[in-house]
Parts: sequence; C-alpha cells; structure tokens
Amino acid sequence: SQTIHQWPATLVQPVGSPLSLECTVEGTSNPNLYWYRQAAGRGLQLLFYSVGIGQISSEVPQNLSASRPQDRQFILSSKKLLLSDSGFYLCAWSVGSMNTEAFFGQGTRLTVV
Amino acid sequence: AQSVTQPDIHITVSEGASLELRCNYSYGATPYLFWYVQSPGQGLQLLLKYFSGDTLVQGIKGFEAEFKRSQSSFNLRKPSVHWSDAAEYFCSLLNDYKLSFGAGTTVTVRA
Repeated sequence: SQTIHQWPATLVQPVGSPLSLECTVEGTSNPNLYWYRQAAGRGLQLLFYSVGIGQISSEVPQNLSASRPQDRQFILSSKKLLLSDSGFYLCAWSVGSMNTEAFFGQGTRLTVV
Repeated sequence: AQSVTQPDIHITVSEGASLELRCNYSYGATPYLFWYVQSPGQGLQLLLKYFSGDTLVQGIKGFEAEFKRSQSSFNLRKPSVHWSDAAEYFCSLLNDYKLSFGAGTTVTVRA
C-alpha cells in the first residue's frame, strides 16, 4: 500500500534562517506531488505541484521554492524565513498521469520567531 | 481560472440534527470535485468525490454530496450529525493535476 511521510512534525525557526521540509511517498511510482500551506482562517493555499522529476509548478510568488530530486521525494525550501511563513504545511500525492484524489501527510507545524 | 468558494466559515449544529455545507465552484468544464475533512493538527481525509455520472455521491461516515451543474454547486450533507463530526471541512476542485481548495468550514457540534 502507499504511504506518505512528512517531517518534521513541528519546527521552530528564527527569522532569516533557512528551511527544508521533506516529503516522501512509498508504494507508487511517478506520483503527482503537492505542497500546501494552511494559515489560521485562510484555508489551504496551493504552493507548488509536480507531475514529474524536474517539473515544478509554482502557484504563489514568495520566498519559498520546491524541488523534486527523486521520483517520490518533494522538498520545500527557503533561504531566509519570514514571520509570515509560519503555518501548517501539508504535502500530498495523487496517482501519476491521472486526475484523481490526493492523499495527505500529517503536516508540519512551522513557527517562525 | 478555477476557484472554490465555501460561503460559511463556521457552522454550529446540534448532535442528531442534519448538516449541510455549501460549496460553489468556478470552472469552465465539468470539474472533478472532492470533499475532505480535517481534524485539528492532522492531515486531510477524503470524504467523497465526484468525477461524472450520478450527481448524488455517497461517501464515508454517512456523508453525501450533490453536484448541481446549473448552480455550480457541490454541497455536502449528513442527515444526523455525531459529536465526532466536529472538524474542518474542505471542498476542492481538480483540473489538469492542479488541486485547489476552498477556505474551509469549521463545524462545531453541541450536545
């Protein structure tokens, strides 16, 4: 069966520090991968999605970036965090080359101080 | 451009009462639509989905949703709410691998 792993679960980082959040999927090949941010009272904001290695679509211009170095690995990064980057970050995957439902990780709570 | 609107930010319902959560979408063609539920501090769980065919779809936990093309709506319903249904509910739309969400509706269940 397929599983999605997202870590760390919680993270407290100072303003201006770098960020790296990792998401991996097991049990499937060539998944579609997604990063979302959930801020209080603002729903889920799609940040990036990827339909294959090296194919990243960015939805919101900001100081975050995403990479997909391997088929089932999706990384969210920042060179310098802002206070406004605080939030709950969710990774998700769906079956590749198909329009189907997505399955979500347990999320990372990021607090920038 | 695609978009999803959930008009109700917060709904309070008594245990045993019926529940309806509204969802409106904006998209040119027939969309793929979903409802997800999120418990506090957790990821999202799929409740149900609509791709085509029967416009009334059944999901898990006793939920159902009805797709109405004329109203661009995909409302979620449950006939009798349980205390465990207290959570945040998200409507979403999928187009060409891009999955967009509404702002969510928080459901509070009172005894």
